[in-house]
Amino acid sequence: AQKITQTQPGMFVQEKEAVTLDCTYDTSDPSYGLFWYKQPSSGEMIFLIYQGSYDQQNATEGRYSLNFQKARKSANLVISASQLGDSAMYFCAMREGVYDYKLSFGAGTTVTVRA
Amino acid sequence: DADVTQTPRNRITKTGKRIMLECSQTKGHDRMYWYRQDPGLGLRLIYYSFDVKDINKGEISDGYSVSRQAQAKFSLSLESAIPNQTALYFCATSHRGDTEAFFGQGTRLTVV
Repeated sequence: AQKITQTQPGMFVQEKEAVTLDCTYDTSDPSYGLFWYKQPSSGEMIFLIYQGSYDQQNATEGRYSLNFQKARKSANLVISASQLGDSAMYFCAMREGVYDYKLSFGAGTTVTVRA
Repeated sequence: DADVTQTPRNRITKTGKRIMLECSQTKGHDRMYWYRQDPGLGLRLIYYSFDVKDINKGEISDGYSVSRQAQAKFSLSLESAIPNQTALYFCATSHRGDTEAFFGQGTRLTVV
């Protein structure tokens, strides 16, 4: 069974607007962590944001926020005030367990920001 | 300099050849991983190691082997490369208790 599902293969967003990238996950482990990574065209993986399963507050990092809905098993990434440099592939990932960093990744969502 | 360094960055090899991808890290992390990225599939775990004496298979280990030569070095080998091993390969490191894994720049491998 797919552990991470990203249903949006590609999205277009206007510069300065917000965009939400969907991610649902599947695990029976009560301890898990959710990650979002950005992959620009150059190929490197850039860590954006992390949410632990026991975290009470939604994670935020600058223009990135993670909308964590535990009961629905969703961990959507919101990018506010989109910039041209946000054009990239975005991956949602999950680790299961407290110290295990074997990550399961979704298929990714390509975001294109239009001027 | 990058904390997690992969060599080579790009490689074209022929079917049946043996090839090694190398990863070294200066972060002092105990855990190292090899992932493979294919279009539409995201990244998938090939092998991982929690310390020098610990090697574990991941989701897609067939056709691959690894060596953890030191805490800082983790190599991935393709004993007899085949075209469907053409992919982008990533090494990653992490440390127990940290919330983040750190990725190398990736190695783009093409098997012709």
